[in-house]
Amino acid sequence: DADVTQTPRNRITKTGKRIMLECSQTKGHDRMYWYRQDPGLGLRLIYYSFDVKDINKGEISDGYSVSRQAQAKFSLSLESAIPNQTALYFCATSGGAGIHEQYFGPGTRLTVT
Amino acid sequence: DAKTTQPPSMDCAEGRAANLPCNHSTISGNEYVYWYRQIHSQGPQYIIHGLKNNETNEMASLIITEDRKSSTLILPHATLRDTAVYYCIVRVPYTGTASKLTFGTGTRLQVTL
Repeated sequence: DADVTQTPRNRITKTGKRIMLECSQTKGHDRMYWYRQDPGLGLRLIYYSFDVKDINKGEISDGYSVSRQAQAKFSLSLESAIPNQTALYFCATSGGAGIHEQYFGPGTRLTVT
Repeated sequence: DAKTTQPPSMDCAEGRAANLPCNHSTISGNEYVYWYRQIHSQGPQYIIHGLKNNETNEMASLIITEDRKSSTLILPHATLRDTAVYYCIVRVPYTGTASKLTFGTGTRLQVTL
């Protein structure tokens, strides 16, 4: 089974709808991240969390919110989706200080029409 | 994070070694070199990292020049499944605020029969 899972894998929604993307991990890591990827723009950080009580905005948090329900779960919400939020969304995890790798989920392809 | 420069694309025959270069002439003493790859639309995958010494793991080898201004990722026996975009990242492993990854444009490696 995958260490980092994301649901749904694909989603098409309409402008103005609320949508939640979910991420779960079995690696026991404290740190979790949400990134979006757009063609030609690389990865951009939306939110990150270093533990259940720690939530931080990333580069592009406007229009998004997150919830860290447990160490293993980190959800990303689009309160009112707009077309320019169409992108590939990745969740990632990493261990504490001194741990170098980030482990990514398979991604959610979101299309807002 | 230090700026990195990678060739936009490379080809490699299956079974041969793939040598992917990265220039990072402004690297600081406490910055590590990381390599990730992304197979089309899948989540990025950590490959290897190093500070000064050459490193090897089950996936690849990392050769860092003595002045640390450049490095080479070596896939010793490339297979078709190694076709991906490879990203070289130079950064400190933990900033105290975020350990976000910033991917540049990377090198698109095409492995052919």
